[in-house]
Amino acid sequence: KQEVTQIPAALSVPEGENLVLNCSFTDSAIYNLQWFRQDPGKGLTSLLLIQSSQREQTSGRLNASLDKSSGRSTLYIAASQPGDSATYLCAVNNNNDMRFGAGTRLTVKP
Amino acid sequence: ETGVTQSPTHLIKTRGQQVTLRCSSQSGHNTVSWYQQALGQGPQFIFQYYREEENGRGNFPPRFSGLQFPNYSSELNVNALELDDSALYLCASSKEVWWGDSSGANVLTFGAGSRLTVL
Repeated sequence: KQEVTQIPAALSVPEGENLVLNCSFTDSAIYNLQWFRQDPGKGLTSLLLIQSSQREQTSGRLNASLDKSSGRSTLYIAASQPGDSATYLCAVNNNNDMRFGAGTRLTVKP
Repeated sequence: ETGVTQSPTHLIKTRGQQVTLRCSSQSGHNTVSWYQQALGQGPQFIFQYYREEENGRGNFPPRFSGLQFPNYSSELNVNALELDDSALYLCASSKEVWWGDSSGANVLTFGAGSRLTVL
């Protein structure tokens, strides 16, 4: 059974800092991994999707990497801004199932 | 292009009742999936519908059922409501099923959710 863990559960940084969010999963036989952002009480917004054959994806200030063999993904946020404050979730897809981590709640202080 | 819309946004039910939640998929998307998100937790996958057929199911009992219509909109039905069913219910659509390597066609677009409170 796939288990997805995100560390840390919460993170507070000053504006402008670069930061890394971590996601680990127990079953490496995944089809893809997605990173999402969720604002309080809202739905999820897809940030990046990494197919199982890929190592990383980039979008603007965001870079996500995937190491299937070690069961890890990281989301790198460069030059953080207060508008980046949200909960960040990773989700892995394998065998007709999708598993989410519990998320990392990020606060970027002005 | 319109996004994913869900209705109702909030509702309150009592234990034992039945509820139907609705979801309109994004234009051009043929796959809809449903998730339950309890407070402070990540979403849990309920099931996915592809071209009107259930195509993947998470660890939820049969009292959670769904439908997908020819226009790819979808319904989630929950019978015999329990207190633990109180949660945010999220719907997502995509161009194809998740487990295809479709160069981004399986990116999920989520609706804002329906918040269900069971008293």
